[in-house]
Amino acid sequence: ETGVTQSPTHLIKTRGQQVTLRCSSQSGHNTVSWYQQALGQGPQFIFQYYREEENGRGNFPPRFSGLQFPNYSSELNVNALELDDSALYLCASSLADGEGKLFFGSGTQLSVL
Amino acid sequence: QKEVEQNSGPLSVPEGAIASLNCTYSDRGSQSFFWYRQYSGKSPELIMSIYSNGDKEDGRFTAQLNKASQYVSLLIRDSQPSDSATYLCAGGGSASKIIFGSGTRLSIRP
Repeated sequence: ETGVTQSPTHLIKTRGQQVTLRCSSQSGHNTVSWYQQALGQGPQFIFQYYREEENGRGNFPPRFSGLQFPNYSSELNVNALELDDSALYLCASSLADGEGKLFFGSGTQLSVL
Repeated sequence: QKEVEQNSGPLSVPEGAIASLNCTYSDRGSQSFFWYRQYSGKSPELIMSIYSNGDKEDGRFTAQLNKASQYVSLLIRDSQPSDSATYLCAGGGSASKIIFGSGTRLSIRP
């Protein structure tokens, strides 16, 4: 167990809807990263948050947005859902200590119909 | 060109043998490298980190890094059926995004 919790575990949405995924980071960790993992692929970096600011973004459109709160928990919001957004969404927390070790939550499985 | 490349496998290794997993990366600015294990239906679990050229050993696992060749490897000695999983190689800057490869499926046959 990493101490990183994500909710919900599963979600079914229809195309065009909006979704919010939540993540609580491991105690003492101040950085949260979000990844999208399609079936059979490696995790794709969406963005990272440090001290409530976006600190790096991958190749994802603006309809993917996020927030980090003062307690270091985080949200991932996806607007105008598309079928290709169906994937496992992983949250990982880490320390801003230069080592970059990521500790993952169990993920949210999103299905877009 | 993908930033982190791995052979997707599957790699089949007999129980008790050494499993060798390889990875190359394109960003010469990367300073941190990791191996994660992911069981089917589960999230990635960190098993090794390496930051300097050379070898780093932890139990049955040895990570190897060669920055000149932009090459990272993982050796698993005395492979066990419980080692059957997908192994993800990842790399990145010290405080920025960590990029993952597509993973290598490892199967340990009894």
